[in-house]
Amino acid sequence: KQEVTQIPAALSVPEGENLVLNCSFTDSAIYNLQWFRQDPGKGLTSLLLIQSSQREQTSGRLNASLDKSSGRSTLYIAASQPGDSATYLCAVTRGSTLGRLYFGRGTQLTVWP
Amino acid sequence: GAGVSQSPRYKVAKRGQDVALRCDPISGHVSLFWYQQALGQGPEFLTYFQNEAQLDKSGLPSDRFFAERPEGSVSTLKIQRTQQEDSAVYLCASSLKHGTRANQETQYFGPGTRLLVL
Repeated sequence: KQEVTQIPAALSVPEGENLVLNCSFTDSAIYNLQWFRQDPGKGLTSLLLIQSSQREQTSGRLNASLDKSSGRSTLYIAASQPGDSATYLCAVTRGSTLGRLYFGRGTQLTVWP
Repeated sequence: GAGVSQSPRYKVAKRGQDVALRCDPISGHVSLFWYQQALGQGPEFLTYFQNEAQLDKSGLPSDRFFAERPEGSVSTLKIQRTQQEDSAVYLCASSLKHGTRANQETQYFGPGTRLLVL
């Protein structure tokens, strides 16, 4: 069974800091990995999707890396802002299970002004 | 354009009641997923449709849970004889298609239905 772990569970930082959120998965036979953002009372918003053949993806201040062989991904957030406060979820898919996402528990991020 | 919508947004049910949760995916999206998210946890997969075909229902926790997508668009998740442990947020997601280019595989989530069983 695929297990996804996210560290840390919670993070509180002042505005302007650069952050790294970590995700690890037990089965390296993944199809792709996605990072999502979840705001309270709202659904999930996809931030970045990395195919298993890729090493990283970038979108604005966000950069996600993937090391499939070691079962790890990191989400780097540059110059954090209060609007970045949310829960960040990592999820993987396996080629054998038709797009089903396996999620971690998330990292709850608070950026204070 | 319109995203994934779900209704109702909140549902309070008495233990033993049946409930029906609706999902309207993005128009033209072939794949539709249901997930259950308990408080403080990540979403857990329930079931997956490709058009009207339910290809994976391995995540449904019991035979009290039933999902359908009869015309390959709107989907309904039904929970019979609700129990307190069914209290959670139920999330629906859709994607254009699975197994092709990366930008077609991104899953777009609705706001969820928060179910509270008393």
